[in-house]
Amino acid sequence: IAGITQAPTSQILAAGRRMTLRCTQDMRHNAMYWYRQDLGLGLRLIHYSNTAGTTGKGEVPDGYSVSRANTDDFPLTLASAVPSQTSVYFCASSLDRGSDTQYFGPGTRLTVL
Amino acid sequence: SQKIEQNSEALNIQEGKTATLTCNYTNYSPAYLQWYRQDPGRGPVFLLLIRENEKEKRKERLKVTFDTTLKQSLFHITASQPADSATYLCALDIWGSQGNLIFGKGTKLSVKP
Repeated sequence: IAGITQAPTSQILAAGRRMTLRCTQDMRHNAMYWYRQDLGLGLRLIHYSNTAGTTGKGEVPDGYSVSRANTDDFPLTLASAVPSQTSVYFCASSLDRGSDTQYFGPGTRLTVL
Repeated sequence: SQKIEQNSEALNIQEGKTATLTCNYTNYSPAYLQWYRQDPGRGPVFLLLIRENEKEKRKERLKVTFDTTLKQSLFHITASQPADSATYLCALDIWGSQGNLIFGKGTKLSVKP
């Protein structure tokens, strides 16, 4: 693989269910990010990670959790999905925090019913 | 409150003309500003970065200006082509934000043949 991959591509989920969105990068980037993109609201940062073992909260962290056990993987978990979490989720990475460029994955389209 | 505005949701131009997209911000002190391109169903792709002490940056048919007094960036595509049709996002890095990017909502550019 090259770059960032996300899985699944899309998912329909019943409210109240637990869901983990997967993100893997092979660029050995230290920093990783999760965004959600909603029509009319743009991209908003959910959580970020400066390096393996550390995470931080972004603009809209409520209802989401992340972990960063290693450099490559940065899963996003919805413990109990709600309809307002229906969105397109993008994972991104950069060489370091504050680096010039963020590289984005292809996105996961999540629908919570 | 802090705000980023991109001049319009949509911009339609004729092939061969120059497209000019605007990004305005208030109550920010950005270290740099970035422009990304996003095609439907895909993640954003980095195009250009301009730092606070730079006035202009060019890359092939793309040009970005940054006026920290006006709190505005202009993004130009010269000799536009239908293949340039996409949504363009501006993003600001904020001093002291540890590298977080704040994204505008985007401008959808359509270049007609």
